[in-house]
Amino acid sequence: GIQVEQSPPDLILQEGANSTLRCNFSDSVNNLQWFHQNPWGQLINLFYIPSGTKQNGRLSATTVATERYSLLYISSSQTTDSGVYFCAVPMYGGSQGNLIFGKGTKLSVKP
Amino acid sequence: SAVISQKPSRDICQRGTSLTIQCQVDSQVTMMFWYRQQPGQSLTLIATANQGSEATYESGFVIDKFPISRPNLTFSTLTVSNMSPEDSSIYLCTAGTVTEQFFGPGTRLTVL
Repeated sequence: GIQVEQSPPDLILQEGANSTLRCNFSDSVNNLQWFHQNPWGQLINLFYIPSGTKQNGRLSATTVATERYSLLYISSSQTTDSGVYFCAVPMYGGSQGNLIFGKGTKLSVKP
Repeated sequence: SAVISQKPSRDICQRGTSLTIQCQVDSQVTMMFWYRQQPGQSLTLIATANQGSEATYESGFVIDKFPISRPNLTFSTLTVSNMSPEDSSIYLCTAGTVTEQFFGPGTRLTVL
């Protein structure tokens, strides 16, 4: 099956700093999603981004499908950005909804 | 978007017993899935809940241990059977489409 690797595993930032999170995947997919799990455990869908670039406020994401990676950019970080960021792709490739998740990047933003 | 609720939100159970978790979606959705998140770990897909038919289980998960029902397009249940301490996890229901999935708040299960 597909392998998903995220880096870095942990990241500590001062409020206001920028960061880049990376997701590598081992096979071609037509579905890649980024999620944020807040410190209380709730998961929020950030982006559906099988290719190209999207932006939503201070967050943006880029997927280069041909090179099998995706990047999540967080600019001007805030303490509310803390939590774990997961990327996920279809477990069996293609564009299905049954996802395999990476191990996540745990982000801590200090005031 | 879809709003997903789960019941119970948390429970503490004795080993050998079973717990049924309910997942309710506020709109009809094509896809519903159940995931497990063990302490400090990522999410692992248990099964796809298929409306009106048997669920599709992923490797390592079996129907006898995790029976799933989905009688309609807005409701599903997951039962964790004959529990052991290794079943202590957060169980999450998700629903949506291929392009966007919404997560329930999760059920935090502790097995003693």
